[in-house]
Amino acid sequence: QSVLTQPPSASGTPGQRVTISCSGSSSNIGTNNVNWYQQLPRTAPKLLIYSNNQRPSGVPDRFSGSKSGTSASLAISGLQSEDEADYYCAAWDDSLYGVFGGGTKLTVL
Amino acid sequence: QLQLQASGPGLVNPSETLSLTCSVAGDSISNSNYDSNYYWGWIRQPPGKGLEWIGSFYYGGSTWYNPSLKSRVTISVDTSKNQFSLKLSSVTATDTAVYYCARQPSTTVVKFHFDFWGQGALVTVSS
Repeated sequence: QSVLTQPPSASGTPGQRVTISCSGSSSNIGTNNVNWYQQLPRTAPKLLIYSNNQRPSGVPDRFSGSKSGTSASLAISGLQSEDEADYYCAAWDDSLYGVFGGGTKLTVL
Repeated sequence: QLQLQASGPGLVNPSETLSLTCSVAGDSISNSNYDSNYYWGWIRQPPGKGLEWIGSFYYGGSTWYNPSLKSRVTISVDTSKNQFSLKLSSVTATDTAVYYCARQPSTTVVKFHFDFWGQGALVTVSS
């Protein structure tokens, strides 16, 4: 059972906009920044969004992040087949440890 | 370009100690000016499951461990080789996972994001 809760799966068709949620508590998302990772099959995770809504260099602006209260969301617009991957949210918890969500498997139909 | 590579035995016997080393190229993990350093960490992923943070350290500063693993984990640094290591004692089959090392580009552990990751090292705990 992960401290941050994500839906196990999500799906969309090419060109569609998809959102993935991440629910936490006042000790993690409510207080600290949320970060998102994309993990393609058999590869290391890749930083997609940091500090709630910042994109590292090279990440397309189709990916965006937001946070409100103790929840956060990752939005992917103009969905492409290569976006099919696992997505993880992460944050620091004020109980003094880092936490990840359980992951969401995104399928492009 | 920053590169990290985790290496170590791929098979460990139950009850023994798992040892992995992360070699870093393209950045120093131990600048003499401590304000120029970043956090570096270990994350693991059991087969078919999600990510779990193991711990992070800041050279010249603090080391933080996941409370669920703290009694068994040690992260250490070899500045002469620009490497850092993970030791996890008393392993069981539940410690079977891909172990990643990564850079946390911040001087504060609260900014919990990792921008560069190693390729991962699969460690299987089995007799």
